[in-house]
This record gives sequence, structure tokens and C-alpha cells, in this order.
Amino acid sequence: LAKTTQPISMDSYEGQEVNITCSHNNIATNDYITWYQQFPSQGPRFIIQGYKTKVTNEVASLFIPADRKSSTLSLPRVSLSDTAVYYCLVGRGMLSNFGNEKLTFGTGTRLTIIP
Amino acid sequence: DTAVSQTPKYLVTQMGNDKSIKCEQNLGHDTMYWYKQDSKKFLKIMFSYNNKELIINETVPNRFSPKSPDKAHLNLHINSLELGDSAVYFCASSPTVLRGAGGKNIQYFGAGTRLSVL
Repeated sequence: LAKTTQPISMDSYEGQEVNITCSHNNIATNDYITWYQQFPSQGPRFIIQGYKTKVTNEVASLFIPADRKSSTLSLPRVSLSDTAVYYCLVGRGMLSNFGNEKLTFGTGTRLTIIP
Repeated sequence: DTAVSQTPKYLVTQMGNDKSIKCEQNLGHDTMYWYKQDSKKFLKIMFSYNNKELIINETVPNRFSPKSPDKAHLNLHINSLELGDSAVYFCASSPTVLRGAGGKNIQYFGAGTRLSVL
């Protein structure tokens, strides 16, 4: 499983764009990159997933360079409610006879939004 | 309508007791999981079931026994509880991932069960 490295914590002011970068130097060809968000006292929640280039949804954007050894989660115009822990995961996430792939959550990035 | 629901939300018990945590998902998913999140917030997978069959069994004490009566339910039974079992336990589910496909495992988590062993 590809190991990921993220900053432990980040602070940002309301209204700003926040970029959280994740390093995954040994990502495999079939691996996808997935980000989850976890609020206090809640389970992780899927935010976005991508394989290469750029993916955008109503919540965030995910930028993946050509070598795929890193990825950046971009949260536009954050608000106080975006304060949470953000996890970057890498893997096929495929449960099959090819091997029991499973999600491995790292330490995550604790994002604090300041009023 | 809650997609993945766990009961109870809080569980306080004495050392040595046996307790169960129930999990149900109404998403029609075939795969369910149990995770443990400790006080340092590390989230570790414990078990995974696919169509009621155990497919992931991490190194956890055999005091922990998952049971899947059907693919919508995955319960966790813990025998002889110890202080170190205190944590938040999360249930999750994901859609069927086809063998050989470029599977993209997106998991849906419950709200968690906070277990405190005294």
C-alpha cells in the first residue's frame, strides 16, 4: 500500500482558499487518490477522488500532477464549518481475489478555520 | 434516513464484560467494515465482510468477533473487555467492487460508537 504524508495541521481564515498537499511517492499504476473529511464525533466522509490531472465537484478540487507522486486538495472559500481532519488515501481500494486491498488512513491534516 | 447506523452511540462498561455493537446499512452495499479510532485519532481497519464472508481480518485480539447475519448488517461482539479497548468504533460500507476492475473503494461511515471501559 502506498504510504501518504500530509501536514499534521493547518490554519486558515474564513473566505480563503485552502490547499492541502499529500505526498505519495510510491503510488502504483492502478492506485486512486481519495480524500475524506472527518468532523469531531463523526465518521469520515468522502470528499473527492481522482486518478490524474484535475477533478472538481461541488465541495472541492483535486489536483494531481503528471507523476502522481503528490496531490493537492483545494477547498475554495472556506468557512468555519470546514474545520475538520482531512485524510488522504491511496490505493486501488479493490477487494478481490487479487489481494485484500484496504483503505489505510494516515494521521490526516487537522484544518482549523479562524474567524 | 441514515445510510449507515450504529448502536449504541455511547457504551460505558466495566472491565471483563462482554458487549456488542450493531451496524446496519441501507445503501444496498455488499461490503462492510469495522474500524477502531484510538485516542490519538489513528483510524485502523479491523475487519471487512463481503456478502457475509470475512475478507479482511487484521491483527486484533480474538476477543473481537464480527458477525454478519446478512449483507446489510455487521455486528461486533467483544468479550472480556479491557481498558485498552476504549476507543471509538466505526462501521462503514462500500459498493461491490468488481474483480479485475479499476475499483474505486468509496466508503460510507457510521457516526461511531464511543466505548469506554472502566
